[in-house]
Amino acid sequence: SQQGEEDPQALSIQEGENATMNCSYKTSINNLQWYRQNSGRGLVHLILIRSNEREKHSGRLRVTLDTSKKSSSLLITASRAADTASYFCATDRTGGFKTIFGAGTRLFVKA
Amino acid sequence: DSGVTQTPKHLITATGQRVTLRCSPRSGDLSVYWYQQSLDQGLQFLIQYYNGEERAKGNILERFSAQQFPDLHSELNLSSLELGDSALYFCASSIAGGGRAYNEQFFGPGTRLTVL
Repeated sequence: SQQGEEDPQALSIQEGENATMNCSYKTSINNLQWYRQNSGRGLVHLILIRSNEREKHSGRLRVTLDTSKKSSSLLITASRAADTASYFCATDRTGGFKTIFGAGTRLFVKA
Repeated sequence: DSGVTQTPKHLITATGQRVTLRCSPRSGDLSVYWYQQSLDQGLQFLIQYYNGEERAKGNILERFSAQQFPDLHSELNLSSLELGDSALYFCASSIAGGGRAYNEQFFGPGTRLTVL
């Protein structure tokens, strides 16, 4: 089964609004990463947060991590139509080598 | 452009056939990962190689095999193909081998496999 699960599965918002996506996972992790995928293309790394970090920012992206709840959230502020894509969380488990990806959230930003 | 190249871009073949997908990692990256992405299964990790050695295995079928060569390029071999093997196959590379190391992965553009 997948280590990470995102919700919602799909999200539709207006340009300018904020988009929040959540990710839950099951086991202890070393770090959690968020990736973006435009339709039919390869994934692009957005941001990584380590297990001892609680919040991280990169431009319009804000990621939080709550290891006690085994969850993370990705906030995209002031969304743009170009942010339309699928967003995946990926976890590197403690003691493991595999990076496990969740099922993704499909974000649609309407102009 | 991530620096990871995959060939071919598209592949159409028949059930029962065998195909080989090729991946060249970014210059300097030692790890290569293979993923399968289909509509109903999402992005599934198949296998990872680090500097020529198998490092981790995921949901890879026995009909599938992979290897990483001394020049660090990798090939994924899919045999006895079934309709359900139709998917996008991604290769990714990273500097590190995983575990405690920071492991940002750079993805190639993918190979779209269609089995008829």
